[in-house]
Amino acid sequence: NAGVMQNPRHLVRRRGQEARLRCSPMKGHSHVYWYRQLPEEGLKFMVYLQKENIIDESGMPKERFSAEFPKEGPSILRIQQVVRGDSAAYFCASSPPGREVAEAFFGQGTRLTVV
Amino acid sequence: GENVEQHPSTLSVQEGDSAVIKCTYSDSASNYFPWYKQELGKGPQLIIDIRSNVGEKKDQRIAVTLNKTAKHFSLHITETQPEDSAVYFCAASRAAGNKLTFGGGTRVLVKP
Repeated sequence: NAGVMQNPRHLVRRRGQEARLRCSPMKGHSHVYWYRQLPEEGLKFMVYLQKENIIDESGMPKERFSAEFPKEGPSILRIQQVVRGDSAAYFCASSPPGREVAEAFFGQGTRLTVV
Repeated sequence: GENVEQHPSTLSVQEGDSAVIKCTYSDSASNYFPWYKQELGKGPQLIIDIRSNVGEKKDQRIAVTLNKTAKHFSLHITETQPEDSAVYFCAASRAAGNKLTFGGGTRVLVKP
């Protein structure tokens, strides 16, 4: 049973470009979460999605950031017009449906570098 | 919103000794408290968790205690080994959904 799969593992973008980060949850998991980790810091919640629905986006910056989790395919975190401050590790986690509180399992992350 | 404080930020122990990491949280509605281990260049790995209806949980060399009244919980690692060296994060969440609020992390170094 494969774990949470994220790609790419490393992504380099020039300022002003777009970054697309992909996350495939564990098999059977329908809840996806995105977190951002700045160097030497803890993880900060960004957004919580279920299939075709954004449940909680209270941690998402108001501009340039968007997320989706379509009926088919991976969840996508999209950052438009990237700036240097977007450089961070972005982690996706997934958890199974049907339980109010369930363990969340993390992927290996995408390390975004904006040059 | 929830705020989780974690101490210490760094911890150096001799192999075989015990390590203790402490966290406090602010939201009395939080009822799920996981601990994650993160090695360099990798994602956080769930190592143990505890729910609010339990005061203590143990898994081999790892144990977690929870004091809901005082709103703090702790991770205990006994008989530490060099492979325990990593950054450890505590987190807290409520029942509805699983949005985790993380502490700032503790860098643990186990010296052989």
